[in-house]
Amino acid sequence: GQNIDQPTEMTATEGAIVQINCTYQTSGFNGLFWYQQHAGEAPTFLSYNVLDGLEEKGRFSSFLSRSKGYSYLLLKELQMKDSASYLCAAYDSNYQLIWGAGTKLIIKP
Amino acid sequence: DAMVIQNPRYQVTQFGKPVTLSCSQTLNHNVMYWYQQKSSQAPKLLFHYYDKDFNNEADTPDNFQSRRPNTSFCFLDIRSPGLGDAAMYLCATSRGVSETGEQYFGPGTRLTVT
Repeated sequence: GQNIDQPTEMTATEGAIVQINCTYQTSGFNGLFWYQQHAGEAPTFLSYNVLDGLEEKGRFSSFLSRSKGYSYLLLKELQMKDSASYLCAAYDSNYQLIWGAGTKLIIKP
Repeated sequence: DAMVIQNPRYQVTQFGKPVTLSCSQTLNHNVMYWYQQKSSQAPKLLFHYYDKDFNNEADTPDNFQSRRPNTSFCFLDIRSPGLGDAAMYLCATSRGVSETGEQYFGPGTRLTVT
């Protein structure tokens, strides 16, 4: 079967750095997304990786290793507004998006 | 601004009373999706339209139906809501199916069943 695994919850301190990991098993692969979702709101797009390596976008970076079926989202200089769930999702060979359940990130002052 | 709009944001319905949720988009995207998301769970794809071509997920209950009268609008009909159908319903769009573009989400409709 197809599935995405990511930790259920993580806690970090304001101003620090946190890495949220995601492993995926899909029938084929056509790229991986990270979305941010605040409580009670819709997911918003953060990043997309289809090639191996690191993509940097401001305070957020996303990394992909296709051979390991692994990605991470790196958040730097954490702010209280970064408290949210972070969803990992991968396209399979049919361009169906397989979603993880999300990692709830709690930021403490 | 181009966007995905969902109405209403909050919907309360009675057990067994039909309800319709609506979604519209100004992005002119070919594909529209309906997801169900329960608390702390992944979004679950119910169905999607590529233009007028309807695609139903195998495990989507018959209680859920959808209509897409034109490119801009898509509706989710729940014929006889049960308590288990209480969830956030998310509408999303993308340019195409066989493309690696992101999906754009509306703000969601939170459905409560009493």
